[in-house]
Amino acid sequence: KAGVTQTPRYLIKTRGQQVTLSCSPISGHRSVSWYQQTPGQGLQFLFEYFSETQRNKGNFPGRFSGRQFSNSRSEMNVSTLELGDSALYLCASSLEVSGGTGELFFGEGSRLTVL
Amino acid sequence: AQRVTQPEKLLSVFKGAPVELKCNYSYSGSPELFWYVQYSRQRLQLLLRHISRESIKGFTADLNKGETSFHLKKPFAQEEDSAMYYCALTSTQGGSEKLVFGKGTKLTVNP
Repeated sequence: KAGVTQTPRYLIKTRGQQVTLSCSPISGHRSVSWYQQTPGQGLQFLFEYFSETQRNKGNFPGRFSGRQFSNSRSEMNVSTLELGDSALYLCASSLEVSGGTGELFFGEGSRLTVL
Repeated sequence: AQRVTQPEKLLSVFKGAPVELKCNYSYSGSPELFWYVQYSRQRLQLLLRHISRESIKGFTADLNKGETSFHLKKPFAQEEDSAMYYCALTSTQGGSEKLVFGKGTKLTVNP
């Protein structure tokens, strides 16, 4: 079974630009979560989608948004990039039917550098 | 607010020595707690969860509600245990749940 796949793996943007990151969950997983990982703050929760609906959102500004498609694939978008957005963005999928937090399966991440 | 605290950013031990990675939490309710691990050049992955009361790779963790702790322990550390360890708890918000992570502890096991 293929693991969680994230694209692109690396990207460099400049301030003010926008970026879209993609995540393909493990087949059969309907929940997709996004985390921002930085050396100073560790793993911070961005949002979680289940069956195309955002169920939970972290404390990030509105510049951070996401969506999930009917095939459970998810994208996150960051608009008007700032230097502080440089981070590793991790996607995780979970096999949960309703409620509860099952085991999260993480992708390798997309490393964003903002210049 | 739900919070997970890992007081040690770095922890270094010698092979064969006991190791304890500390994790404290604040949560109003009955928490579900987990330890995730990230080995060098590998993905973040689940190590163990308190509800299973299992031992994985020789590691165990006991939930102490009185001390609000979930420390990870191993009696004899091995070099292959060197990794980044994250403690996490399930937080319920708006009817759904999310995982809240601590900032992690980097464990180095020296030969």
